[in-house]
Amino acid sequence: GEDVEQSLFLSVREGDSSVINCTYTDSSSTYLYWYKQEPGAGLQLLTYIFSNMDMKQDQRLTVLLNKKDKHLSLRIADTQTGDSAIYFCAATPRGPSSASKIIFGSGTRLSIRP
Amino acid sequence: NAGVTQTPKFRVLKTGQSMTLLCAQDMNHEYMYWYRQDPGMGLRLIHYSVGEGTTAKGEVPDGYNVSRLKKQNFLLGLESAAPSQTSVYFCASSYGGEAQAAFFGQGTRLTVV
Repeated sequence: GEDVEQSLFLSVREGDSSVINCTYTDSSSTYLYWYKQEPGAGLQLLTYIFSNMDMKQDQRLTVLLNKKDKHLSLRIADTQTGDSAIYFCAATPRGPSSASKIIFGSGTRLSIRP
Repeated sequence: NAGVTQTPKFRVLKTGQSMTLLCAQDMNHEYMYWYRQDPGMGLRLIHYSVGEGTTAKGEVPDGYNVSRLKKQNFLLGLESAAPSQTSVYFCASSYGGEAQAAFFGQGTRLTVV
C-alpha cells in the first residue's frame, strides 16, 4: 500500500525559506496534501496539488511535485515565527477503497531560529 | 462556523474502563474518520465511515468500535481501555471522492493509567 515519508525535524532562520520534503510510494496517487499542526491543535489543510500538476503557488507557499521521483516539497518563503509547527504530507492513493483513505506521513517539525 | 467538533478534549481513564468519544460535523460531509496520533508515528487511521450507517476498519482498529447512526456524528468507543491506547485522537471529515481534503477537529487527549 501507499507509504508517505518525511524527515522529522527542520530548523531555519527567520526570514529564510523553508523547504519540507516528502516522498511517497504509490505512483498513482491522485491528490497530495500539506497540512499544518500548531501545538495543541488539529490539522489544518494548507494546500494540495493534483497529480497532473508540477507546481502550485499560493502566496508564500510553493508546492513542487516530481512524479518521476515520487517527491513532493513545500517551500515557505520568508519564514516567520508563526510558521513554527508540524507539517504533514498526505496522499490519496488509487484503488477500489482509495476514496476512503488519506495516508499521512509522520510529520516534519519546523522550528524557527531568530 | 463550527466545522468538526470533538468532545471531550481531555480524559483520564483507568485500565479496563470504557468511554465514548464524540465527533460532530456541520458541513454535510459524507466521509468521517478517526485517527490516533502518537509521537514519531504521525496519524494512523482507526476506523472510517463513507456514509450514514456504514463503518469500516482502518489501519489500527483493534480495541475500538465506531458507530455512524447520524450523518453528522461519528462515535469512537473504547470498551476496555488499555495503557497502549494513551494517545491523541483526531476526528476528521471530508466530502469524499478523489478530492479528499479532510477537515480536522481539535483532538482529544486520552490518558489510560
